Amino acid sequence: GGIITQTPKFLIGQEGQKLTLKCQQNFNHDTMYWYRQDSGKGLRLIYYSITENDLQKGDLSEGYDASREKKSSFSLTVTSAQKNEMAVFLCASTSDRNYAEQFFGPGTRLTVL
Amino acid sequence: GDSVTQTEGPVTVSESESLIINCTYSATSIAYPNLFWYVRYPGEGLQLLLKVITAGQKGSSRGFEATYNKETTSFHLQKASVQESDSAVYYCALARTGGYKVVFGSGTRLLVSP
Repeated sequence: GGIITQTPKFLIGQEGQKLTLKCQQNFNHDTMYWYRQDSGKGLRLIYYSITENDLQKGDLSEGYDASREKKSSFSLTVTSAQKNEMAVFLCASTSDRNYAEQFFGPGTRLTVL
Repeated sequence: GDSVTQTEGPVTVSESESLIINCTYSATSIAYPNLFWYVRYPGEGLQLLLKVITAGQKGSSRGFEATYNKETTSFHLQKASVQESDSAVYYCALARTGGYKVVFGSGTRLLVSP
């Protein structure tokens, strides 16, 4: 088995601040994802990466940057935090794109003051 | 675009009662998507509950079942007798074979009372 670790678990920032969320996986999976989940809503895809150094935009990429410098890690940067961005950010990975079963991390809860 | 619509929660049932959580999908760019149910138990991360990749087939796990119905574009989640430990948030999702993106529904919170 494997595990996905997200740091930090809670992130508190100021409006306008640049904030970085980190994700590590030891599944040796090729593809990694960042999702955002607002309270009571579904997951929305921000970025995904199908291999090291690859980046693909999702439906919600505006206002975010991502980085995949190693196969095992995938970082997400909120370029300028906004008050309406209080949400949970979930990282996921998968090795088998044919069935797209994803494995998820525990999430980072972002609060912007 | 593709979308998934599921029962709006919370859904409250008593232990040992039957359960159905509805899920319908719209896959405008995918003829036969792969369909999934994910679950988040309290204090845990989101995890796969079951999946079906062939229309007409049924998937099952932990006493839950879901049948892929391409005529009605539905993938309802059912259980004959729920337990208190089934209390969780359930998400229906779809993906294209060979693709990378997964489209999730908004989730249904299930509360099972003893």
